[in-house]
Amino acid sequence: GAVVSQHPSWVICKSGTSVKIECRSLDFQATTMFWYRQFPKQSLMLMATSNEGSKATYEQGVEKDKFLINHASLTLSTLTVTSAHPEDSSFYICSALRDSNIQPQHFGDGTRLSIL
Amino acid sequence: DAKTTQPPSMDCAEGRAANLPCNHSTISGNEYVYWYRQIHSQGPQYIIHGLKNNETNEMASLIITEDRKSSTLILPHATLRDTAVYYCIVRSGGATNKLIFGTGTLLAVQP
Repeated sequence: GAVVSQHPSWVICKSGTSVKIECRSLDFQATTMFWYRQFPKQSLMLMATSNEGSKATYEQGVEKDKFLINHASLTLSTLTVTSAHPEDSSFYICSALRDSNIQPQHFGDGTRLSIL
Repeated sequence: DAKTTQPPSMDCAEGRAANLPCNHSTISGNEYVYWYRQIHSQGPQYIIHGLKNNETNEMASLIITEDRKSSTLILPHATLRDTAVYYCIVRSGGATNKLIFGTGTLLAVQP
């Protein structure tokens, strides 16, 4: 089955630092990747859609300068949380789509980010 | 994409079938029904999807009503490891391909 890997699984860092999270599709080429955020006891909230070689499309209310997304290849997308603050602490999850039709998205196992 | 409505929680005895309902009364003709589940502190796992015909795979069966306004996910023999939040999502195959998650159903499988 399709495998999506996220790294790191956990990260703890000081307020004001920037954190980069990687999302890789291991056994298929992903034309589109998605980034979600999930707070405790809540559902997943879509942050942005990332297409290889083009700028990401952000959902309403998501700051593009705060959450930098790069999708430089068909197997890798990165999310950088810039100047992170405690309110950015959350569970960040990526997903990858093989091609743009009815195929299901496949999700990584998430990155738990804690900002002190 | 159409919205979905699911019960917030359900219980099921281990070894019995778990039937999880989903209402999607505003679904349009080109929209598919997808089911995912999320076990605590993990990413969502794809289960199954369908358009109008019933579907079955190694994990589950998906029954879609003839008018497509509702569907049921069936786990034929639930185990404790099936305890998770189950999400029913309606999505078209269009350009956006976004999955918008609702609140889902917390299925608790009891020993």
